[in-house]
Amino acid sequence: EAQVTQNPRYLITVTGKKLTVTCSQNMNHEYMSWYRQDPGLGLRQIYYSMNVEVTDKGDVPEGYKVSRKEKRNFPLILESPSPNQTSLYFCASSFPGGIKTDTQYFGPGTRLTVL
Amino acid sequence: AQSVAQPEDQVNVAEGNPLTVKCTYSVSGNPYLFWYVQYPNRGLQFLLKYITGDNLVKGSYGFEAEFNKSQTSFHLKKPSALVSDSALYFCAVRDRGQNFVFGPGTRLSVLP
Repeated sequence: EAQVTQNPRYLITVTGKKLTVTCSQNMNHEYMSWYRQDPGLGLRQIYYSMNVEVTDKGDVPEGYKVSRKEKRNFPLILESPSPNQTSLYFCASSFPGGIKTDTQYFGPGTRLTVL
Repeated sequence: AQSVAQPEDQVNVAEGNPLTVKCTYSVSGNPYLFWYVQYPNRGLQFLLKYITGDNLVKGSYGFEAEFNKSQTSFHLKKPSALVSDSALYFCAVRDRGQNFVFGPGTRLSVLP
């Protein structure tokens, strides 16, 4: 089954404790992206990756890091989480933009609470 | 920088009636426009997109959207709403790169 998986689905942590949220896709997509969803703000793009070893900042990259060492995986790293990073996080993947591609497939979400 | 506005936080419609969820955008160059739907406790699902071609785009579950360049709008429509259409709907725009910007979302409630 074609899917995007995220782990963990729920996480409660404390300020300053480094954490990683994993994202994996099995569709051989070049493009992967991370978003955070906050009430009234919709989804905001954190980082995206066009392919292995190619990453770019989205609209809200501060406080986050990503890596793309393999095509299928795109982990999101919070080196020193703060309470304002409490949010619902989504990973997505797709083939690169174009007429027939560009449809993003989203993971189920990771709800992060930073105390 | 591109932006997306969804002027209505909430849209209520009776089952069987037509529905419209509004979206306006701002982007330099040609727009790449999308609609996604989010059901409770789920990730987003793709509904439809406009890249080029006909201004009326048909998508999943009977939804369609009309691209209007002069009004910079991309409203989502359905001729006859179902209770199961109740969800959170997001309009999004992609720039010439791969940076996506989503609107704040519109909650659609279809009343039986």
